[in-house]
Amino acid sequence: EAQLLESGGGLVQPGGSLRVSCAASGFTFSSYGMNWVRQAQGKGLEWVSGISSSGAGTYYADSVKGRFTISRDNSNNTLYLQMNSLRAEDTALYYCAKGQTSVKSWGQGTLVTVSS
Amino acid sequence: QSALTQPPSASGSPGQSVTISCTGTSSDVGGYNYVSWYQQYPGKAPKVMIYEVSKRPSGVPDRFSGSKSGNTASLTVSGLQAEDEADYYCSSYAGSNNLVFGTGTRVTVL
Repeated sequence: EAQLLESGGGLVQPGGSLRVSCAASGFTFSSYGMNWVRQAQGKGLEWVSGISSSGAGTYYADSVKGRFTISRDNSNNTLYLQMNSLRAEDTALYYCAKGQTSVKSWGQGTLVTVSS
Repeated sequence: QSALTQPPSASGSPGQSVTISCTGTSSDVGGYNYVSWYQQYPGKAPKVMIYEVSKRPSGVPDRFSGSKSGNTASLTVSGLQAEDEADYYCSSYAGSNNLVFGTGTRVTVL
């Protein structure tokens, strides 16, 4: 069974940067596309970014394009999201999600709060 | 990348059926057979209940079923149980390796 464990969330000032990580286990990580999905408190799910199984293809929602960078390390079964120029509206629980055309497994999320 | 449209709420009595709609466009729901449905309890991560329009992962009760017609997908929960009270979200592949989620529906068991 797939296990996804996010880490790296925290409090950051507007304009600041943060990198969140997702350690994957229980499946062949290098065979699956992966995504980051976020959820603001009391709000719905929002797709943020995706990456192909090899890492060659990266994809972004318009709301984060140019500010966020997704990457992966298949040798260490880890997914990353580098977030720069953070805004208050980026405050959310960030989920690591397995799958390219749909999410088959979810992590428990890591909370990112952007506030001064 | 507009969110898919779901009704904010739906309800039914135990044993009844409830159906939730998810309306998109020909660029997402209508263009691909990659609609999924997720159940989320408060404070918990979502869980996939249906994928590829109508497929159920192992362990998901057959009370949950999915379908699609044109640009609208639907999730039906038959034989409603107290444990089905949760938020439900749809998602669709939207081309160019993008995913789009629905606005969410809170299901209440009366």
